[in-house]
Amino acid sequence: DTAVSQTPKYLVTQMGNDKSIKCEQNLGHDTMYWYKQDSKKFLKIMFSYNNKELIINETVPNRFSPKSPDKAHLNLHINSLELGDSAVYFCASSQAAGLADTQYFGPGTRLTVL
Amino acid sequence: AQSVSQHNHHVILSEAASLELGCNYSYGGTVNLFWYVQYPGQHLQLLLKYFSGDPLVKGIKGFEAEFIKSKFSFNLRKPSVQWSDTAEYFCAVITGGSYIPTFGRGTSLIVHP
Repeated sequence: DTAVSQTPKYLVTQMGNDKSIKCEQNLGHDTMYWYKQDSKKFLKIMFSYNNKELIINETVPNRFSPKSPDKAHLNLHINSLELGDSAVYFCASSQAAGLADTQYFGPGTRLTVL
Repeated sequence: AQSVSQHNHHVILSEAASLELGCNYSYGGTVNLFWYVQYPGQHLQLLLKYFSGDPLVKGIKGFEAEFIKSKFSFNLRKPSVQWSDTAEYFCAVITGGSYIPTFGRGTSLIVHP
C-alpha cells in the first residue's frame, strides 16, 4: 500500500496555464507538506498544513495555492505557470505538528513548463 | 536561519569500498538530525535519525551516523557499499522549537559493481 501518493507523476505544460497536483496520505498523519526540489536538488519547504489548517507558508508566490479538503489530502494549485516553476514537487506527511518527526514522502511530481 | 551543508556533491565508489558522507549544520541549540535516501525513480525515505541518547545511530541497510555536537556534524557511514546503494542521500536538521526540516542539497552516490 502506498503511504503517500501524488498525481500526476509527470506534468508538462505551457507557460501561463493553470495546473493542479494532488496528494493523499493513508498514514493517519495530521500534518502534510509541499516541498519544491529545484534543478540543484535543494529541497525547500513551501507549505505545511496541520489538520486542514495552513501552518507554514514560506515566501511562495501567491500563484501557488494549497488546498486541504481533509487531513488526508493536500492539493497544490498553480496559476499562471512560469518557466521557473519547473521542478520536482514532493508531498510529505508527518505524525503531528509541533513535533520533530520523520517525514514520509510521496514519489514526486516532475513539472516542466515550456 | 539554520543551514545544512553536504560538501560531497558527487561520490563514486567501487563495491566493498567504505563510505562516509559529510553533513554539517549551523545551529547551536538542540537539533534533531536525519538522513534520507532517494533511490533512482523512488521517493525519499528515512535511513536513520538522531533525537537524543547514543550519538552513534544505526539505520537500515547497514548505515550508521555519528552526531558530534562539537563539530556540528552528523556524518553518514557504511563500511562496505553495494551497487544497490547507488542513490541520492540527503541530510536534514530540525532545530529546537521547529518541526520543519532544513535539507542539505544532497550527495549523489554511484557505486560501480
